[in-house]
Amino acid sequence: GAVVSQHPSWVICKSGTSVKIECRSLDFQATTMFWYRQFPKQSLMLMATSNEGSKATYEQGVEKDKFLINHASLTLSTLTVTSAHPEDSSFYICSANWAGETYEQYFGPGTRLTVT
Amino acid sequence: GQNIDQPTEMTATEGAIVQINCTYQTSGFNGLFWYQQHAGEAPTFLSYNVLDGLEEKGRFSSFLSRSKGYSYLLLKELQMKDSASYLCAVRGGFSGGYNKLIFGAGTRLAVHP
Repeated sequence: GAVVSQHPSWVICKSGTSVKIECRSLDFQATTMFWYRQFPKQSLMLMATSNEGSKATYEQGVEKDKFLINHASLTLSTLTVTSAHPEDSSFYICSANWAGETYEQYFGPGTRLTVT
Repeated sequence: GQNIDQPTEMTATEGAIVQINCTYQTSGFNGLFWYQQHAGEAPTFLSYNVLDGLEEKGRFSSFLSRSKGYSYLLLKELQMKDSASYLCAVRGGFSGGYNKLIFGAGTRLAVHP
């Protein structure tokens, strides 16, 4: 149980276009989902916390107008990278927290974004 | 501010024991996690400590001292497949969310024959 999926697993897009990444909890209801970004050989940096039905809370330095997060249901959150640039190329990972779970976050497999 | 420190790289021999240290200074604390991450993959959960002491789970053990802001991950009977990055993360009552995890930079462990 507690499986989180992401789609797509990798994507290549041209500079200036927008890309949507989906994060789904497959067998549980995720009250909170988290979006992280990881550059090569660096650790995970929290971008935003997303609660179902409410606006996401963005970390300092993360542009909310560039990284649009929607948490429309208890099993789906989406991250849209708008007007992508090569410096947005990174590994994007989501995780989900189940209301009944006291501590663990369940991570998705990640999405590799390359902007050319 | 929040600060989580761990060594950047470590090497060890197959069959040996290795200890990866983590020190933290955070504005809140509600648990410390260790994750394993292979290159290009998502982190996988290894251990969780919220009280002082040692938690053992097979070949992996994790220790926490809240007064010292210190934790370590102990890996025994090392195998080649243990070559990976090990991430220390603190969950705290930071602004914006109760369940937020702040990650250290990770320790890249290389296991040699």
